[in-house]
Amino acid sequence: DGGITQSPKYLFRKEGQNVTLSCEQNLNHDAMYWYRQDPGQGLRLIYYSQIVNDFQKGDIAEGYSVSREKKESFPLTVTSAQKNPTAFYLCASSGASGSYEQYFGPGTRLTVT
Amino acid sequence: GENVEQHPSTLSVQEGDSAVIKCTYSDSASNYFPWYKQELGKRPQLIIDIRSNVGEKKDQRIAVTLNKTAKHFSLHITETQPEDSAVYFCAASIHYGGSQGNLIFGKGTKLSVKP
Repeated sequence: DGGITQSPKYLFRKEGQNVTLSCEQNLNHDAMYWYRQDPGQGLRLIYYSQIVNDFQKGDIAEGYSVSREKKESFPLTVTSAQKNPTAFYLCASSGASGSYEQYFGPGTRLTVT
Repeated sequence: GENVEQHPSTLSVQEGDSAVIKCTYSDSASNYFPWYKQELGKRPQLIIDIRSNVGEKKDQRIAVTLNKTAKHFSLHITETQPEDSAVYFCAASIHYGGSQGNLIFGKGTKLSVKP
């Protein structure tokens, strides 16, 4: 299970609070991604970064923010502007030579009440 | 943008039977099609993938077929076993040269294999 890690596994917050989810990888991958997973919805792309100090919005970026100051790290902040933040959040990375495979972290389950 | 449709949403088979999951995509420029398996509470893991220059790929009991003209691709699992029970996701992406494209996922198929 090494390579890409997310912490914590479970996170509980009160409505109105910002919360930051951690994602770290030691695979030397250039690209990193954040997905949100809801039951019956598949995986939806929140933000992605192809290279350090650059990132782009995905399909559902509203209410989220990211940073990519280091190649290994791509933290996601869920802000109070996100209307329905309770979900399972998955981080992924890709960039192995000759491969398009995305490797996923174990996920963080966020519950906001 | 790209849209990926996946069917069926649930699939129940007897152990030893075959299972087939189908996906269609909308963007003819898509050139990479992976399949991920996700067990309950765990991370998705790649089980097989295919690039647009290939029509079929096999790995033991798993195979994927691609029809670029019809813009659909399918996952075939033969001799199913209870440990094949999971949610399976198809995805599509566009890659230019060595760049890493963004995956667009289908909504998943929950496969149950009954002993």
